[in-house]
Amino acid sequence: QSALTQPASVSGSPGQSITISCTGTTSDVGGYNYVSWYQQHPGKAPKLIIYDVSNRPSGVSNRFSGSKSGNTASLTISGLQAEDEADYYCSSCTTSSTLGVFGGGTKLTVL
Amino acid sequence: EVQLLDSGGGLVQPGGSLRLSCAASGFTFSSYAMSWVRQAPGKGLEWVAAITGGSISIYYTDSVKGRFTISRDNSKNTLYLQMNSLRAEDTATYYCAKSKPPWAARVNDYWGQGTLVTVSS
Repeated sequence: QSALTQPASVSGSPGQSITISCTGTTSDVGGYNYVSWYQQHPGKAPKLIIYDVSNRPSGVSNRFSGSKSGNTASLTISGLQAEDEADYYCSSCTTSSTLGVFGGGTKLTVL
Repeated sequence: EVQLLDSGGGLVQPGGSLRLSCAASGFTFSSYAMSWVRQAPGKGLEWVAAITGGSISIYYTDSVKGRFTISRDNSKNTLYLQMNSLRAEDTATYYCAKSKPPWAARVNDYWGQGTLVTVSS
């Protein structure tokens, strides 16, 4: 069982906005502003899209945004495009491990 | 351009050993912590091990402690994962990943393409 809880799947139509939640505890998500998000297309390596809750690496579309409230972080994708169909994983540092922890992943389907 | 090239995966019998390598280029390798993250078939991501730039600090997930050893050769810009006493549950694609400072944030900004390890008789 993953330390961070994500919905197994979400879906949306092109042009719409969707939000993926990532729920942890005060030992991880709620205790630090170190939540990151990764996008993974089938058969490919994960790609960093958000770090430190809401920062985007250079080259990542501004359609991706992150936020956090209490023990829950969120990834919002606006103006959905077919290419956004992928798995999304949240991650955080944690007091429970010397390594980071990941969420279980969310499969985004663009209808 | 940052590049990470994972290699060394393959089919190994339970109890066997394997050494993974990750050749890095495009950045000052010795200045960054590096990690191994694995993904079992159809499953999510799991952090396996990490090592700081100068190899001062090394971390492992509980399930691999005593069996896996992470190391690096900064003169060769290469990260390693020595895996001994392999079990069926170690079957996964193993990714090397470069850490984005600070290490405390536990952020991986670049990933290798992955190398598949299959433990089966």
